[in-house]
Amino acid sequence: DAGITQSPRHKVTETGTPVTLRCHQTENHRYMYWYRQDPGHGLRLIHYSYGVKDTDKGEVSDGYSVSRSKTEDFLLTLESATSSQTSVYFCAIGQNYEQYFGPGTRLTVT
Amino acid sequence: AQRVTQPEKLLSVFKGAPVELKCNYSYSGSPELFWYVQYSRQRLQLLLRHISRESIKGFTADLNKGETSFHLKKPFAQEEDSAMYYCALTTSGTYKYIFGTGTRLKVLA
Repeated sequence: DAGITQSPRHKVTETGTPVTLRCHQTENHRYMYWYRQDPGHGLRLIHYSYGVKDTDKGEVSDGYSVSRSKTEDFLLTLESATSSQTSVYFCAIGQNYEQYFGPGTRLTVT
Repeated sequence: AQRVTQPEKLLSVFKGAPVELKCNYSYSGSPELFWYVQYSRQRLQLLLRHISRESIKGFTADLNKGETSFHLKKPFAQEEDSAMYYCALTTSGTYKYIFGTGTRLKVLA
């Protein structure tokens, strides 16, 4: 597996609380991505980054923000978690149009 | 708008039978197309990329621009092929990806 880790791997949180998920890479890839995976919807892009401090929205970015202050770290923040954000979140890194995925974070919002 | 359609949520075949997982896309330009696979309890991994024209684990996929399709095929399914398969598209220069909703392949003994 490519050098991608995600933390935490599992989290349960309450509605209305902020949550931050971390993606860390050791591959020095330029591109980093956050997806959510839901039954019936497949993978949907939340945000992505094309360099330090360079980010852009994906198709389901409402309620999420991201930051990338270092090449190796890409943070996803749920500003005020809602039950609809219960999902499995995947980070990916990309180079030469190919993506490599992290192990995923299972987030439950109660 | 770009879109990737995988019409089958579940495809069940017997071991040794041919497999075809369908993927159709909508994009007016020249897309980059991929197949990703997720085995049980494992992370997603790249299976095929259309420009490489390789055969990985016996799978092939041909880009048909006329039919805007990128179907994944294998002549003889194996039980270890059971997994979730996603078709994905990006466009040259954007590095944003659109995934289909996925097809779960079950290969029966």
